[in-house]
Amino acid sequence: DTGVSQNPRHKITKRGQNVTFRCDPISEHNRLYWYRQTLGQGPEFLTYFQNEAQLEKSRLLSDRFSAERPKGSFSTLEIQRTEQGDSAMYLCASSLIGYEQFFGPGTRLTVL
Amino acid sequence: AQKVTQAQTEISVVEKEDVTLDCVYETRDTTYYLFWYKQPPSGELVFLIRRNSFDEQNEISGRYSWNFQKSTSSFNFTITASQVVDSAVYFCALSEANNNDMRFGAGTRLTVKP
Repeated sequence: DTGVSQNPRHKITKRGQNVTFRCDPISEHNRLYWYRQTLGQGPEFLTYFQNEAQLEKSRLLSDRFSAERPKGSFSTLEIQRTEQGDSAMYLCASSLIGYEQFFGPGTRLTVL
Repeated sequence: AQKVTQAQTEISVVEKEDVTLDCVYETRDTTYYLFWYKQPPSGELVFLIRRNSFDEQNEISGRYSWNFQKSTSSFNFTITASQVVDSAVYFCALSEANNNDMRFGAGTRLTVKP
């Protein structure tokens, strides 16, 4: 399978816990994006990387959120001290510079 | 600021009917890109088409066609002879040349009944 993969697919956690999600992009893609999607809405941009550099962050990305792409390959998105409002589908996408983004299956987070 | 409006929240058609999904966008940039994605019940967004602002030619791909009109800031999507497998949420999105985030509309849920 050469598509974008995300792990885990589902995560249930209690409020206040930290969670970390992983995204493995299509191997030759140098850009990697994170989005959040809530029920009945379109995906909302969170942040993106070009190789290992994080080049843009949305104001939606509060201080409790951090993303890394240490070697320019896979990326992690960590949410600290989760809140119920963080419950959503977290989507990862990758692309070549200037080309369309291909999305992974998402990680569904439920915060109890 | 960029904005995408999909005014149709839900559409229901009977198989073999043609259906058009509307998309209206706002941007101040002269160079931008428009996209359509399909999100079936499985949840994974599937890329359908990318169009740049300098290419207003309509495009046809099988039963799918797209009508890009800069004069009305619209990028509408038509499915001809719809099938049950076309049932999904369809998203229109806009990306400006100087931004790297893609702004999505709220989506249109299409249900095709047999």
